[in-house]
Amino acid sequence: QSALTQPPSASGSPGQSVTISCTGTSSDVGGYKYVSWYQQHPGKAPKLMIYEVSKRPSGVPDRFSASQSGNTASLTVSGLQADDEADYYCSSYAGSNNLEFGGGTKVTVL
Amino acid sequence: EVQLVESGGGLVKPGGSLRLSCAASGFTFSTYSMNWVRQAPGKGLEWVSSISSGSSYIYYADSVKGRFTISRDNAKNSLYLQMNGLRAEDTAVYYCARDPYPLQLRHFDYWGQGTLVTVSS
Repeated sequence: QSALTQPPSASGSPGQSVTISCTGTSSDVGGYKYVSWYQQHPGKAPKLMIYEVSKRPSGVPDRFSASQSGNTASLTVSGLQADDEADYYCSSYAGSNNLEFGGGTKVTVL
Repeated sequence: EVQLVESGGGLVKPGGSLRLSCAASGFTFSTYSMNWVRQAPGKGLEWVSSISSGSSYIYYADSVKGRFTISRDNAKNSLYLQMNGLRAEDTAVYYCARDPYPLQLRHFDYWGQGTLVTVSS
């Protein structure tokens, strides 16, 4: 069982938005501003999409946005495109030199 | 271009050992912390271990503590994971990943393609 809780699946039609939640505790998500989001296509390595709650690495489209409220972080993908269909994982620093991941959310573009 | 290439995976019997390697290129390897992250078949990501740029700070997930050893050779631009006492639950694709900040375990900006470790009799 993963330390951070994500819904197993989410979906939306092309052009729509989808939001994925990542729920932890005050010892991880709520205690630090170090939530990250990764995109993983089947058979591929994870790709960093968001770091430090809401920052986008160079090259990541601004259709990807994220936020945090209390112990829950969220990733929103706007203007869904076919290539956005992938698994998405959140992670959070959890103190004591430990990093936690969520169980992953499979995003389907209908 | 940053590249991380893992090798050393394979089939090993329970209780056996395996050494994974990660060859880095395209950046100054000696100035970055590095990590191993694994993913069991059909499952999510799990952080395994982290090592600072100069090997002074080393951390492990509880699930591998005492069995796995992370190390690096900055002269060879290489990261290693020595895995002993392997169990069926260690079966996974193992990725090496770069830590872009001096502070470890905040986020990973580059990942290798992974190497599969299968523990089975």
